[in-house]
Amino acid sequence: DTGVSQDPRHKITKRGQNVTFRCDPISEHNRLYWYRQTLGQGPEFLTYFQNEAQLEKSRLLSDRFSAERPKGSFSTLEIQRTEQGDSAMYLCASSLVFDRDEAFFGQGTRLTVV
Amino acid sequence: AQTVTQSQPEMSVQEAETVTLSCTYDTSESDYYLFWYKQPPSRQMILVIRQEAYKQQNATENRFSVNFQKAAKSFSLKISDSQLGDAAMYFCAYRWTGAGSYQLTFGKGTKLSVIP
Repeated sequence: DTGVSQDPRHKITKRGQNVTFRCDPISEHNRLYWYRQTLGQGPEFLTYFQNEAQLEKSRLLSDRFSAERPKGSFSTLEIQRTEQGDSAMYLCASSLVFDRDEAFFGQGTRLTVV
Repeated sequence: AQTVTQSQPEMSVQEAETVTLSCTYDTSESDYYLFWYKQPPSRQMILVIRQEAYKQQNATENRFSVNFQKAAKSFSLKISDSQLGDAAMYFCAYRWTGAGSYQLTFGKGTKLSVIP
């Protein structure tokens, strides 16, 4: 197991375009989280899945953002009509309930909106 | 709402010396977890150490230890015998233990440099 994998690592897009990021959690982990980290800040929570159910969403997750986790495996985060303020590192993490619920993070996807 | 404050944007330490990173938090809850995460440049964030609020004993993990002061809402990280590989951003984080809430609240981080 190579840990939490995120793809792509870097994405440059023009304002107004849609982008989609993928996260593959550690295989047996049933919880998956998305965070956003802007320059000089700590990660901010966006949303959380337990298996395929999206159980918690932050107010940061505007209507332009949507996340899915079909079949409780990988997850996608889509941003529609990107804005310059969406430029950030998007981090995915996963954890296994009953195993101290420790969150393991991926390397992130850095989004630049030009 | 819970907040986590790291008042030291940058710190430096000589190799083999000891350094302490500060963290304070604000919460009205009595049961929660506190964490220190390390984020090396261009690498993923990893958990350094974890403290359960109900435990009075301070957590230790090899060269890393914490000073948890619940009444003062303070949670500092001490790194002993600092090594070059300790250079990274360090984030303090909080999580309430209440059912259905699993989000981590992070501070802004402290950039630690280790001087050879």
